[in-house]
Amino acid sequence: DTGVSQNPRHKITKRGQNVTFRCDPISEHNRLYWYRQTLGQGPEFLTYFQNEAQLEKSRLLSDRFSAERPKGSFSTLEIQRTEQGDSAMYLCASSLNLVAGELFFGEGSRLTVL
Amino acid sequence: QKEVEQNSGPLSVPEGAIASLNCTYSDRGSQSFFWYRQYSGKSPELIMFIYSNGDKEDGRFTAQLNKASQYVSLLIRDSQPSDSATYLCAVASNTGKLIFGQGTTLQVKP
Repeated sequence: DTGVSQNPRHKITKRGQNVTFRCDPISEHNRLYWYRQTLGQGPEFLTYFQNEAQLEKSRLLSDRFSAERPKGSFSTLEIQRTEQGDSAMYLCASSLNLVAGELFFGEGSRLTVL
Repeated sequence: QKEVEQNSGPLSVPEGAIASLNCTYSDRGSQSFFWYRQYSGKSPELIMFIYSNGDKEDGRFTAQLNKASQYVSLLIRDSQPSDSATYLCAVASNTGKLIFGQGTTLQVKP
C-alpha cells in the first residue's frame, strides 16, 4: 500500500494523559499536513511541514500540541495533558506541492478522551 | 468572519437533477481553490481545482470561480445517489496551507 498511513487508528485515553500519533506520508511527497476534524465540521488546519521544516502552526493551537518530522519522512503529533475537547479525528495528508492542491489524506486517527 | 464559508445543508436533490454547492472566502489575495468530497466515515478526496475566473468542467462536475465576488461554486449535473457526501470547499493561503470550509452535505434521492 503506497498511500498515507496513520497509526493508531483509534486511541482512547483518560484526561491528563499524553498521546502520540504517527503519520507515514506517500514516499515522494515533500509536504505533510496535520488537520483536526470534529463531527459536522471541515478539517481544521493544525500545522504543516516541507521536508523536515515546520513552516506553519495554527495560532489557535495550544502549546500542548507539538509535531515533528525529524528526517523529512514520517511525522508525529503529540498531545500532552489531553482534555475532553481534544476528542476528534486527527487527519494527516501529504502532497508534492500546494500549487496543484492535491492533498492525499490518511484514514485518520480517532482520539477519544474520557 | 470565517476564512471559508459554506452552507452546511443538507442540500437534497432528486436523482438526475443539478446540485449547486456554494462557497465564499475572505482573503481577496487567494489564488487557488479546491473542491474535496468526503463520504461518511472516510477521508476527503480531491475532485476539482480552479485557479482562473470562469468555469472549469470535468465530466459531470463544473467548478465556477468569481474572484471579484470571492465566490466559488460546484455544479454536479445528473446527480446520482453515489454523489451523496459532504463537499468541502478549500482555499490555498499565501503561506502554503489549505483552509477548508465546514462542508455542505448533499443528499441525492433516488
